Amino acid sequence: QVQLVESGGGVVQPGRSLKLSCAASGFTFNSYAMHWVRQAPGKGLEWVALIPYDGSHGYYADSVKGRFTISRDNFRSTLSLQMDGLTPEDTAVYYCAKDPKMGGYDSYLEYWGLGTLVTVSS
Amino acid sequence: QSALTQPASMSGSPGQSITISCTGTRNDIGSYNLVSWYQQHPGKAPKLIIQEVTKRPSGVPIRFSGSKSGNTASLTISGLQAEDEAEYHCCSYAGGNTYVFGSGTQVTVL
Repeated sequence: QVQLVESGGGVVQPGRSLKLSCAASGFTFNSYAMHWVRQAPGKGLEWVALIPYDGSHGYYADSVKGRFTISRDNFRSTLSLQMDGLTPEDTAVYYCAKDPKMGGYDSYLEYWGLGTLVTVSS
Repeated sequence: QSALTQPASMSGSPGQSITISCTGTRNDIGSYNLVSWYQQHPGKAPKLIIQEVTKRPSGVPIRFSGSKSGNTASLTISGLQAEDEAEYHCCSYAGGNTYVFGSGTQVTVL
């Protein structure tokens, strides 16, 4: 079965960096696009970034563009999110999620991990 | 990329029906029949319950249904059950390989 396990969250000071990881299993990782989605405390979900199956490009929400970088290691079946210039507004649970379409993109997120909490505070 | 608008909370008694609205713009919901809905219980991962406006993934109960009119999508839960108490999130494709989620709706079963 599909499993997505996020890690790397923690408490970080404003302006600092943090890198999140998502370990994937139960499917052919190198065939599917992957997403990061976040949820601030008491708020709704916010789509953050998308990377195609081959890692050729990243697509970002305006709120993180230029500060966050999505990447993947298809040999290790791992998705990453490098977060630079963090602000308190980036405090959230960060989820990785699998796209359902092999070799392309679809319009929904098929499977989700349990998330990892990032707290940006001095 | 402004969040889609959902009511913050809704409630109903077991057996009743409720409809959650999700209002966007002509740039997202209004332009694409690509709205999805997710159910999230406390401390759990979101679960896909509706894709492409009206389609139910395998295993999702028939009491969940979706629709769309103009810039607004809706999720109806017919015959509310205790296990339906959760937060519900809508999502729309917004073009350029980007997506926008709603503000979330907490559903309480009385």
